[in-house]
Amino acid sequence: GAGVSQTPSNKVTEKGKYVELRCDPISGHTALYWYRQSLGQGPEFLIYFQGTGAADDSGLPNDRFFAVRPEGSVSTLKIQRTERGDSAVYLCASSASHEQYFGPGTRLTVT
Amino acid sequence: AQSVSQHNHHVILSEAASLELGCNYSYGGTVNLFWYVQYPGQHLQLLLKYFSGDPLVKGIKGFEAEFIKSKFSFNLRKPSVQWSDTAEYFCAVMVSGGYNKLIFGAGTRLAVHP
Repeated sequence: GAGVSQTPSNKVTEKGKYVELRCDPISGHTALYWYRQSLGQGPEFLIYFQGTGAADDSGLPNDRFFAVRPEGSVSTLKIQRTERGDSAVYLCASSASHEQYFGPGTRLTVT
Repeated sequence: AQSVSQHNHHVILSEAASLELGCNYSYGGTVNLFWYVQYPGQHLQLLLKYFSGDPLVKGIKGFEAEFIKSKFSFNLRKPSVQWSDTAEYFCAVMVSGGYNKLIFGAGTRLAVHP
């Protein structure tokens, strides 16, 4: 069956611009997670949705980062006023229980 | 704060050699433990997991891991590696009451030479 999909696969933007990253979870998965993976490091938790609500957003680094999941399926991670330090691979995962299935990620480069 | 340490950042082996990748975590409560693998050009995939019961868990492709609670460790092993095992391996912890978020180690990059 279809796995987790993320678009775009690559995004290059200029410092100060706004970006949106999209995640399409596995159908029927109520839990959705965003992680960020910087070069040479493991994924770092950002935010967790259970249904439409953000159950845990403790990993968002600052108020420039925001995520939504209005209908309990697709989620969008939004980054305002991007900075070069935001450059990373942004991973989405979905889950029906304790096992998380990851998407291919969006590689964000801020120039 | 909880953390996960993977002792080796890069490992180079010849085919048929045995593999052991170290993983230690810092958390005194109940944990679920995972190893994920990322093959070149592919996304993260679950290799194996430990929730409870037998501390020796077996995963896909001949991998196994042993949970030693007293050592806060969950080391990954394979008796005989293949060239196709070349990948990056991540250990991860899910803490009880932590909303199921995963805390990852920095990863170990394994290169297997034919």
